[in-house]
Amino acid sequence: ETGVTQTPRHLVMGMTNKKSLKCEQHLGHNAMYWYKQSAKKPLELMFVYSLEERVENNSVPSRFSPECPNSSHLFLHLHTLQPEDSALYLCASSQDWQGRSGNQPQHFGDGTRLSIL
Amino acid sequence: AQKITQTQPGMFVQEKEAVTLDCTYDTSDPSYGLFWYKQPSSGEMIFLIYQGSYDQQNATEGRYSLNFQKARKSANLVISASQLGDSAMYFCAMREGYYGQNFVFGPGTRLSVLP
Repeated sequence: ETGVTQTPRHLVMGMTNKKSLKCEQHLGHNAMYWYKQSAKKPLELMFVYSLEERVENNSVPSRFSPECPNSSHLFLHLHTLQPEDSALYLCASSQDWQGRSGNQPQHFGDGTRLSIL
Repeated sequence: AQKITQTQPGMFVQEKEAVTLDCTYDTSDPSYGLFWYKQPSSGEMIFLIYQGSYDQQNATEGRYSLNFQKARKSANLVISASQLGDSAMYFCAMREGYYGQNFVFGPGTRLSVLP
């Protein structure tokens, strides 16, 4: 039990489909993150939400749309994806305090393995 | 430029031996944190150990210790008494800045523990 739950664990979709990935954290954290992990590439930070506001968007294509309705939930809405979007998508959360951000690790979910046909 | 470098794509170690996984980082910010994560084949990322840029002593957590050499900008992970369950990918990561929310991960090192 990691405290961060991602659903679904596996997702296969066509390029014209619309689907959403869900992340829920039970740790009382106030920051949440989406990462993409492709084979043989470093973990890529996609989005950061702190106190439910998006604070980071690392040049992610608009076919990925995040949503953070509250500090415990994070979604990644997917539409018109490409085959190169097939990857493991990891959600993470952490506790950020003003003036003391350095020592808080991120806690990760188990990921959603996404395959685009 | 890469902010986190892990020069060992793969490492082998004999069970019960110690192993050192290398990590060098690049930042101009005086305030940063360094983290090591383990990712088994099942996919979950497990936090192992943390070292802050202002910490005077090297971090230790059970069989894990961090060899922090600030002037060289290196933060090597040492695993003592390796176990078969230690076989996994290991990632070094850095969090920059006083209010930094951006984690940067290295490419990882795959550790294989041999019986």
